[in-house]
Amino acid sequence: QQQVKQSPQSLIVQKGGIPIINCAYENTAFDYFPWYQQFPGKGPALLIAIRPDVSEKKEGRFTISFNKSAKQFSLHIMDSQPGDSATYFCAANDGGYNKLIFGAGTRLAVHP
Amino acid sequence: GAVVSQHPSRVICKSGTSVKIECRSLDFQATTMFWYRQFPKQSLMLMATSNEGSKATYEQGVEKDKFLINHASLTLSTLTVTSAHPEDSSFYICSASGTGDFNEQFFGPGTRLTVL
Repeated sequence: QQQVKQSPQSLIVQKGGIPIINCAYENTAFDYFPWYQQFPGKGPALLIAIRPDVSEKKEGRFTISFNKSAKQFSLHIMDSQPGDSATYFCAANDGGYNKLIFGAGTRLAVHP
Repeated sequence: GAVVSQHPSRVICKSGTSVKIECRSLDFQATTMFWYRQFPKQSLMLMATSNEGSKATYEQGVEKDKFLINHASLTLSTLTVTSAHPEDSSFYICSASGTGDFNEQFFGPGTRLTVL
């Protein structure tokens, strides 16, 4: 019940494409859903986050879609660029325990 | 804002020695700090959670006598890997929370530990 399932494991798109990464959870106590971007040898950086009372959030080229009834959320990257090539992690926070539960990660490659 | 630093960024040590890694929140007070371990091409695994002035809470399966965590101030936490062995070689990442909504976690750049 504490898991966050992330798919796909890897993704290749052409420049300008819109990669979509999906995550699903079971625990309805989760109340905060961030996405992190990680480059090789670096720590994760917070990209965008959403709360369950909102169905969509956009920040620049990044959009989170959230479906509370389905317990699913996804990250869309508009007009993807080669510089977006990185590993993306979704996560969920159970505020009561103040812990982030991470998905397995998606390695994205954006080809020129 | 919300910058977290780690030192050192990379360390190589001999088997049996102890290594200390520092995690600092540079521009905010971190009431809670977290230590993660990440193996190549894998996700982050939470090792322990520490609150300033309190003992750390370790996740199941993490040896607290091997991974000593100290959170003596609101801007500094340290992780000491005692009697390190080659299997302890990994990427160690800290994060800190204390600002913003929903206890957002801000991550450090990580420390690559190699034990020979």
